[in-house]
Amino acid sequence: ENVLTQSPAIMSASLGEKVTMSCRASSSVNYMYWYQQKSDASPKLWIYYTSNLAPGVPARFSGSGSGNSYSLTISSMEGEDAATYYCQQFTSSPYTFGGGTKLEIK
Amino acid sequence: QVQLVETGGGLVRPGNSLKLSCVTSGFTFSNYRMHWLRQPPGKRLEWIAVITVKSDNYGANYAESVKGRFTISRDDSKSSVYLQMNRLREEDTATYYCSRYYFDYWGQGTTLTVSS
Repeated sequence: ENVLTQSPAIMSASLGEKVTMSCRASSSVNYMYWYQQKSDASPKLWIYYTSNLAPGVPARFSGSGSGNSYSLTISSMEGEDAATYYCQQFTSSPYTFGGGTKLEIK
Repeated sequence: QVQLVETGGGLVRPGNSLKLSCVTSGFTFSNYRMHWLRQPPGKRLEWIAVITVKSDNYGANYAESVKGRFTISRDDSKSSVYLQMNRLREEDTATYYCSRYYFDYWGQGTTLTVSS
């Protein structure tokens, strides 16, 4: 199976700070998907097809990457962005998820 | 608006069976493949099963961790998808979610605890 490794596992950022988190796949994928999950809530689709924002996602978020390496960036951290972010691939079954990056406010 | 509501979770003993249901609304259910996923406490999300649409013969695919024990099914007339879980193990303890298509909508989840 395609193992997705996210880094860092935990990070903190000050309000207004730029944030970048990474996802590396053990095998190349066509696209990467990202989900936001807050405590005791269901995951929400956040970014699809590597760089497309899901409806309602603020424009300060962006996604990029290709092949084995992908990233999610927040241009300016806001309080509501504190959450765990998971990357995920549909290129090959099983459809695997990364271990998550927990983003906290510094 | 699109809604997915899972039910059926609970506390069961190892070796027993349970069936989860997911009732949907707000979209043409029969047009979408549907998935079940789970998240053990404090762990990453895990996709476990998918069922396609009628035109694809309702084909199903499973993660190795549940293959042979779990069965996904759907009833398009009820806009519902189900997960029959047999020979449950303690490691099946998790919150179970249904989701559609490319995981664009998720239910609120239902919790299964397998313990003696």
